[in-house]
Amino acid sequence: QAVVTQEPSLTVSPGGTVTLTCGSSTGAVTNGHYPYWFQQKPGQAPRTLIYDTTNKHSWTPARFSGSLLGGKAALTLSGAQPEDEAEYYCMLSYSAGHRFGGGTKLTVL
Amino acid sequence: EVQLVQSGAEVKKPGESLKISCKGSGYNFANYWIAWVRQMPGKGLEWMGIIFPGDSDARYSPSFQGQVTISADKSINTAYLQWTSLKATDTAIFYCARHGGNYDYWGQGTLVTVSS
Repeated sequence: QAVVTQEPSLTVSPGGTVTLTCGSSTGAVTNGHYPYWFQQKPGQAPRTLIYDTTNKHSWTPARFSGSLLGGKAALTLSGAQPEDEAEYYCMLSYSAGHRFGGGTKLTVL
Repeated sequence: EVQLVQSGAEVKKPGESLKISCKGSGYNFANYWIAWVRQMPGKGLEWMGIIFPGDSDARYSPSFQGQVTISADKSINTAYLQWTSLKATDTAIFYCARHGGNYDYWGQGTLVTVSS
């Protein structure tokens, strides 16, 4: 099975910018993997931020954006807020179904 | 308003069977896939499988194939995840999520504890 890789942890200063990435053991991530990004805070269900690489839901703050970067999917947070501290998961689509990455714990400090 | 409401927490013994549910409302339940996701204590999310309630087409992650059964009853807008013989390692929170291309709505999660 494919392995989806994410940075285990990242730190960003309030108001700063950070990029989280999502790679695939099968090679470059493309739009054909329909990359998703989810945010999960302690004790809560996940919330979908980004789907199909770049698309946002109505509840997705404008400071989050999705892209492809250097063969990976990327989630960029511009102007980090304290409430953005959370675990972030990417998910990719394969022929055998979807696969989550291990998650990135984002600290806003 | 779209909602996915999951059944309540369960405490089971190893070897017991279990069926948990995810009831959709506020939309045409038959026309959207429902995915199931596992989160073991302190761990990340794992995609288990997905079902299309309209025709009960179910697909499984290779990691979960044969370990669980995903089903749905579109007449009562409910999807299910079931085990025939639970193990202690099945202890986790299980989430359902609606997938019409964007995984837009999630259930609140069902905590399953398996302990002797």
